Amino acid sequence: DAKTTQPPSMDCAEGRAANLPCNHSTISGNEYVYWYRQIHSQGPQYIIHGLKNNETNEMASLIITEDRKSSTLILPHATLRDTAVYYCIVRVVGTYKYIFGTGTRLKVLA
Amino acid sequence: NAGVTQTPKFQVLKTGQSMTLQCAQDMNHEYMSWYRQDPGMGLRLIHYSVGAGITDQGEVPNGYNVSRSTTEDFPLRLLSAAPSQTSVYFCASSRAQGGPNEAFFGQGTRLTVV
Repeated sequence: DAKTTQPPSMDCAEGRAANLPCNHSTISGNEYVYWYRQIHSQGPQYIIHGLKNNETNEMASLIITEDRKSSTLILPHATLRDTAVYYCIVRVVGTYKYIFGTGTRLKVLA
Repeated sequence: NAGVTQTPKFQVLKTGQSMTLQCAQDMNHEYMSWYRQDPGMGLRLIHYSVGAGITDQGEVPNGYNVSRSTTEDFPLRLLSAAPSQTSVYFCASSRAQGGPNEAFFGQGTRLTVV
């Protein structure tokens, strides 16, 4: 599985867009990019995933560069409840294994 | 739909004691796995199972055993607890085929070994 690199922490003002970057320069052609978040010490929660096209769901948008070496998770209107650790993971769909790095600790400020 | 249920939520053990952390899922998922999370760290894979009767080791398996006799249950056994096993343990499940195969995680078991 490819490794990912994320900034250790970020701040975002409430109501503004939070843009969380992830570098995955060694990603393989059949590996998807997944994003999870962990609020306090709860179990990680799935947010979104994508292969090469940009994706949007009710929680967030995922922008993947054309060369697939990096991606950005966008929370369009961050709220205080979005304060969490966000993990970017690459994996082959259908495999069991997730490799978690240390993620980005996002703090949304009032 | 309960999802992934872990019990107990908290546990304190003395060094050398054994115990079993329980994990059950009601989504008929083929894949189940156990992770541990130490303070300030990401999750690390302990053991995993791709179906009933099939288990294998992850990156940090020493001191733990697992079995998978049913699709629903995947217990994690600590054979002889050590302080180094103080951690938060998460169980996860996911489908093998179809859709995003996202993993669903339990709420964790916080284990302290004294």
